[in-house]
Amino acid sequence: DIQVTQSPSSLSASLGDRVTITCRSNHGIINYLNWYQQKPGQAPKLLIYAASSLQSGVPSRFSGSGSGTDFTLTINNLQPEDFATYYCQQSYGAPPWTFGQGTKVEVK
Amino acid sequence: QITLRESGPALVKPTQTLTLTCTFSGFSLSTSGVAVGWVRQPPGKALQWLALIYWDDDKRYRPSLKSRLTITKDTSKNQVVLTMTNMDPEDTATYYCAHRKYGSASNAFDIWGQGTMVTVSS
Repeated sequence: DIQVTQSPSSLSASLGDRVTITCRSNHGIINYLNWYQQKPGQAPKLLIYAASSLQSGVPSRFSGSGSGTDFTLTINNLQPEDFATYYCQQSYGAPPWTFGQGTKVEVK
Repeated sequence: QITLRESGPALVKPTQTLTLTCTFSGFSLSTSGVAVGWVRQPPGKALQWLALIYWDDDKRYRPSLKSRLTITKDTSKNQVVLTMTNMDPEDTATYYCAHRKYGSASNAFDIWGQGTMVTVSS
């Protein structure tokens, strides 16, 4: 199976900050990388698909980049509603399409 | 508008079989390209991809659980059913069903159910 590793596992940030989360795959996955946001007690929400495409309805302060094995989720101008856990997911080729271990964004 | 809703028992005993139903609306699993998957999340832990069924009845499973999982669809009822045999306390988790994003090759899950919590305990 293709594995993806996120870093950091958690981070502390302040309102207005720029936050960067990375996801690394152990196999080249072109751009088959998706990002989700999950808040406590809620289902995950798709933010970014195909590495850099913004899902409809998601604020433009969220952006994704990368290709091959290294990917980044960036949140500009961090807002109160952005404190959550973020997961990357590789979706290359045949399933299983594995998730990263998550990155919790907390208030500094 | 696409919606999905999971249903099933909240509590199962070890060694029992779990049956979860995902009832959806807003799309058809007989439409080419459509797929529905299952993902679970143990308390305080990360998401785990479990299984996926395509419109053409192709099925895929998490390798480590393949012997215990079965995914089926009932197109007429707009339902996807996941069964997991020989349940263990380590299978305690919130189970989600999700719709694969249509019209994109990304294979992302764009719409999720609210999840159903399953506890495995005697």
